[in-house]
Amino acid sequence: KAGVTQTPRYLIKTRGQQVTLSCSPISGHRSVSWYQQTPGQGLQFLFEYFSETQRNKGNFPGRFSGRQFSNSRSEMNVSTLELGDSALYLCASSFEVNTEAFFGQGTRLTVV
Amino acid sequence: KNEVEQSPQNLTAQEGEFITINCSYSVGISALHWLQQHPGGGIVSLFMLSSGKKKHGRLIATINIQEKHSSLHITASHPRDSAVYICAVRGGSNQFYFGTGTSLTVIP
Repeated sequence: KAGVTQTPRYLIKTRGQQVTLSCSPISGHRSVSWYQQTPGQGLQFLFEYFSETQRNKGNFPGRFSGRQFSNSRSEMNVSTLELGDSALYLCASSFEVNTEAFFGQGTRLTVV
Repeated sequence: KNEVEQSPQNLTAQEGEFITINCSYSVGISALHWLQQHPGGGIVSLFMLSSGKKKHGRLIATINIQEKHSSLHITASHPRDSAVYICAVRGGSNQFYFGTGTSLTVIP
C-alpha cells in the first residue's frame, strides 16, 4: 500500500511568487491535514480537509489556502511568498478525522 | 505559554537505558499523539491515545487525562531510536497543538 506522497520534495521560490504543493493520501483515506515546520516555531497546524471540505484551520494568514479534490488528493497554495514562509510543509492522511495519521516526507520550501 | 510542554528538550542516553519523555498539556483534548522525526524530516506517528496505555514493541505510551499528562517510554534503547520525539494534542476545537520536541541521542 503506497504511503502519503508529497510533491515536489524541494522547491525554491522568490519573494512575491506563489506556490502550490500537492499531497496524495493513502488510498481510502479521506482526511488530509497540513502542517508547517520551522526551526523557530516548530510544527504548526495549517488546515484539515475531509471529503473535500475544510474542517479546521490554524492561525495562518489568508495567503495560505488549500483544497481537497474528490479523489482526496489535496493541494495547498501560498501566495505572495515571504522569506518567513521558508519551511518544511508536511501533510498527513487518515481514514477519518481523529484516527491515526500517516505523514508524508514533506516539501521543503525555500523562499529567496 | 504553550498549550503543550515537553521535557526534557534534549536527552542523551547509553544504549540499553530506559528512557522517559514527558508531555503536559493545558487544553481539553480528544486525542494525544506521539510522533517521531528522524533527521531529514520524515515523521512517523508512533501512538494515538485518548486514555490509558499503549505498547508497541519497545515503546510504551501512557496518558492521564485528569492530570493532563502523557509519557513516552523506550525500553532497552538503541542508537536507531535517536530522533526528535514530538507530542501533539488535538484540542476540543479540533485544533492541533504541538510540543517543541525532545531530541534523543542514544550512544552505543
